[in-house]
Amino acid sequence: NAGVTQTPKFQVLKTGQSMTLQCAQDMNHNSMYWYRQDPGMGLRLIYYSASEGTTDKGEVPNGYNVSRLNKREFSLRLESAAPSQTSVYFCASIPTSEGEQFFGPGTRLTVL
Amino acid sequence: GENVEQHPSTLSVQEGDSAVIKCTYSDSASNYFPWYKQELGKRPQLIIDIRSNVGEKKDQRIAVTLNKTAKHFSLHITETQPEDSAVYFCAASKGSYQKVTFGIGTKLQVIP
Repeated sequence: NAGVTQTPKFQVLKTGQSMTLQCAQDMNHNSMYWYRQDPGMGLRLIYYSASEGTTDKGEVPNGYNVSRLNKREFSLRLESAAPSQTSVYFCASIPTSEGEQFFGPGTRLTVL
Repeated sequence: GENVEQHPSTLSVQEGDSAVIKCTYSDSASNYFPWYKQELGKRPQLIIDIRSNVGEKKDQRIAVTLNKTAKHFSLHITETQPEDSAVYFCAASKGSYQKVTFGIGTKLQVIP
């Protein structure tokens, strides 16, 4: 089992560029989450997907879109990147309705 | 929505001493309270969790207590070791596919 994987690990964008962060899990988990982590701000939820076919906004959804492609994959898209979106992005998954979240290794994104 | 406050934001202890991190939550419907440890440059990983029907839980040198009436929960680490140095996050959730809300984190430094 690879667990939760994320690509890319690092990315530098220019303001206005778009990109998609990929997340996949091979643990047959139902729920998947996208967080951003900024110094002094903890982990803030961007979007989550309770199950395949559903997505919901978290605390900081503005500027982002998500797609739950299938049970394994949950992608995060930045349509027009802004410097305020410079952050470390973590994807996570949970096997059932609650319990331990398994995190991916993170994507460090810099927007110039 | 749920609001989780965590303090202190930084904590330094001598090796062998105890460390205590405290969190409060706002939503009385929250019933699942995990704690995550994040080492520098790594992903968060669950170290212990507690559910609302339990007042205390212990795992070797780590313990968590929950006071539902006061809506606060705490992490206790005894006999601290240098490898305990990390950022610790508390979180709260209502379970049943509900989103998880994290505190801002506590940076623990154990001084040898």
